[in-house]
Amino acid sequence: GDSVTQMEGPVTLSEEAFLTINCTYTATGYPSLFWYVQYPGEGLQLLLKATKADDKGSNKGFEATYRKETTSFHLEKGSVQVSDSAVYFCALEAWQAGTALIFGKGTTLSVSS
Amino acid sequence: NAGVTQTPKFQVLKTGQSMTLQCAQDMNHNSMYWYRQDPGMGLRLIYYSASEGTTDKGEVPNGYNVSRLNKREFSLRLESAAPSQTSVYFCASSEGEGGPTGELFFGEGSRLTVL
Repeated sequence: GDSVTQMEGPVTLSEEAFLTINCTYTATGYPSLFWYVQYPGEGLQLLLKATKADDKGSNKGFEATYRKETTSFHLEKGSVQVSDSAVYFCALEAWQAGTALIFGKGTTLSVSS
Repeated sequence: NAGVTQTPKFQVLKTGQSMTLQCAQDMNHNSMYWYRQDPGMGLRLIYYSASEGTTDKGEVPNGYNVSRLNKREFSLRLESAAPSQTSVYFCASSEGEGGPTGELFFGEGSRLTVL
């Protein structure tokens, strides 16, 4: 079935460092892809999305490009801040479950000043 | 603007006890979901309701039941709790079919411990 694999964490960076969190997927067809973020003690919230191949989603300085050839959707940010410390989840739309999403296991990012 | 509201936020149960997690959304969304979050496992779908009056199993439905009480409310019931059901439970909603793809709105979570 459809699945998402994202890099294991935790990822520890200094402020202003470059961030990459890898995400690859296995899916039937070409599903929409998403990154969600979870701040401590909160629920998940949508960070960005891409609905078709070569689309680039962006928000709050984060970017991810839907790569059909490599079945990837890596999350990047040029200069992280302490406030970016959170858990990041890659996800895809599960056609076999209504409009539910299948999530990766999450990657914890910790940014120090 | 409340969004998705879950109750209770914390609960401790003994093995074999039952309980219901309540979820309500005020965004007039058609679809609602229950996920559980476990360390190293990410979020896994328990049940979902694509529209009022329908419910379907997700990836990990065993030991749970759900009720879509009306368009606003979607409850999750544990009939006989087991330690393996210790987890953080998230309710979410979305516009569903015909709505913006993938925009799930999550509650703050309910932390359940089964002793």
